Amino acid sequence: KAGVTQTPRYLIKTRGQQVTLSCSPISGHRSVSWYQQTPGQGLQFLFEYFSETQRNKGNFPGRFSGRQFSNSRSEMNVSTLELGDSALYLCASSLALASGGAGETQYFGPGTRLLVL
Amino acid sequence: DAKTTQPTSMDCAEGRAANLPCNHSTISGNEYVYWYRQIHSQGPQYIIHGLKNNETNEMASLIITEDRKSSTLILPHATLRDTAVYYCIVRVGGTDKLIFGTGTRLQVFP
Repeated sequence: KAGVTQTPRYLIKTRGQQVTLSCSPISGHRSVSWYQQTPGQGLQFLFEYFSETQRNKGNFPGRFSGRQFSNSRSEMNVSTLELGDSALYLCASSLALASGGAGETQYFGPGTRLLVL
Repeated sequence: DAKTTQPTSMDCAEGRAANLPCNHSTISGNEYVYWYRQIHSQGPQYIIHGLKNNETNEMASLIITEDRKSSTLILPHATLRDTAVYYCIVRVGGTDKLIFGTGTRLQVFP
C-alpha cells in the first residue's frame, strides 16, 4: 500500500505570495492532519480534517487554512507569506475509525520544504 | 494533553540495546503513549504505542510503568540507521492531534 504523498517536495516563494500544498493520504485513511516543523518551534500541529470538516485546529493565524476533499485528499494554503513561514510542512493520515478511546496511528508523509525569501 | 519529558540526547553502541526513557506524570486514563522517530528532516516514522500494557513489535518494545507515569522505548539491537530524534507523545484517544516535545536525539556509534 502506498504511503502518504505530498507535493511539491520543495518550494521557494517570496514574501507576500501565497502557497498551496497538497497531501494524498494512505488509501482508506479518512483523517488528514498538518504539522509545521521549524528549528525554533519544533513540530507543531496546524489542523486536522475528517470527512471534509476541520475537526481540530492548532494555534496558528488565519493565514493558514486547509480543506479536505471527498476522496480524503487535503490541501493547505498559506496566504501573505512571511519569512517565518519557512518550514517543513508535514501531512499525516490515519484511519480515524470511531474509537471511543482507542488510539489511531498517524502515518506521516515526507513533507514539503517551503523557503520564503 | 499531557506533557512529556525526555532527555535531550543519548548515545548507544551499535548492537547494544537502546533504552529511551519518557516521563508523562500527568497522563490521563484514556491517553495513549506513542513513539515516533525522525531521521534528519524526513517525516516522523511511527514506532509503537500503548495504553497500559507492555507492547512489542518488529521495531521495538514499549515498557509502561504500572502507574503509567513513565515509559521506556527499547531498541533491542541498535544499528547506525537507528540514529534519529525519538519523540514520546501522549495522545488522547479518538483525536488525531499530536503534541510533539523536543524529543531525544539518539546517536548510535560503531
